[in-house]
Amino acid sequence: LAKTTQPISMDSYEGQEVNITCSHNNIATNDYITWYQQFPSQGPRFIIQGYKTKVTNEVASLFIPADRKSSTLSLPRVSLSDTAVYYCLVGDKAGANNLFFGTGTRLTVIP
Amino acid sequence: DAGVIQSPRHEVTEMGQEVTLRCKPISGHNSLFWYRQTMMRGLELLIYFNNNVPIDDSGMPEDRFSAKMPNASFSTLKIQPSEPRDSAVYFCASRGWKAAVNNEQFFGPGTRLTVL
Repeated sequence: LAKTTQPISMDSYEGQEVNITCSHNNIATNDYITWYQQFPSQGPRFIIQGYKTKVTNEVASLFIPADRKSSTLSLPRVSLSDTAVYYCLVGDKAGANNLFFGTGTRLTVIP
Repeated sequence: DAGVIQSPRHEVTEMGQEVTLRCKPISGHNSLFWYRQTMMRGLELLIYFNNNVPIDDSGMPEDRFSAKMPNASFSTLKIQPSEPRDSAVYFCASRGWKAAVNNEQFFGPGTRLTVL
């Protein structure tokens, strides 16, 4: 099971770009990197997934270096509503080992 | 679509009592997952089903926990007897064939269980 390491918490001011880095040294060839977001009193919500290089959608960007041993979730110009816990998961696309959430990174956006 | 539905939303019970949590997945989804979330351990996978069949229950903490999925639209997680350390938020999530392309799971609102 490829586990991940993320910072426990981060603070940021409104309007800033936030980068959350996740380490996954034991990532396997078939593994993808997936990020979820969880607001208080809600279940997690899928944000983005990637395999290598860069992926961008309407919510975030995901940067993955060539060795794939880490990844960075980038949130552009955060607002107070981006305050949440962000989880990085690593595993093959439809298998069971893509389901280790851990404790995630608690992002607090400050006005 | 109403999304994943869980009931009850809150449950308070006394130690030793049986607790049953319920989940209705999104229609058409073929995978269902049960998670438990605590401050100390974060979000942990307990068990997941594919096409109503349990695939991996290695996360079920002990024999006091059991889960069933009698049909594609309903699943239960039962704790008997309950203990104070079972207090947590229990989430149900489902995933469809199309979402399996990126392993996107859709989570319910959770059931907050308190065992006194």
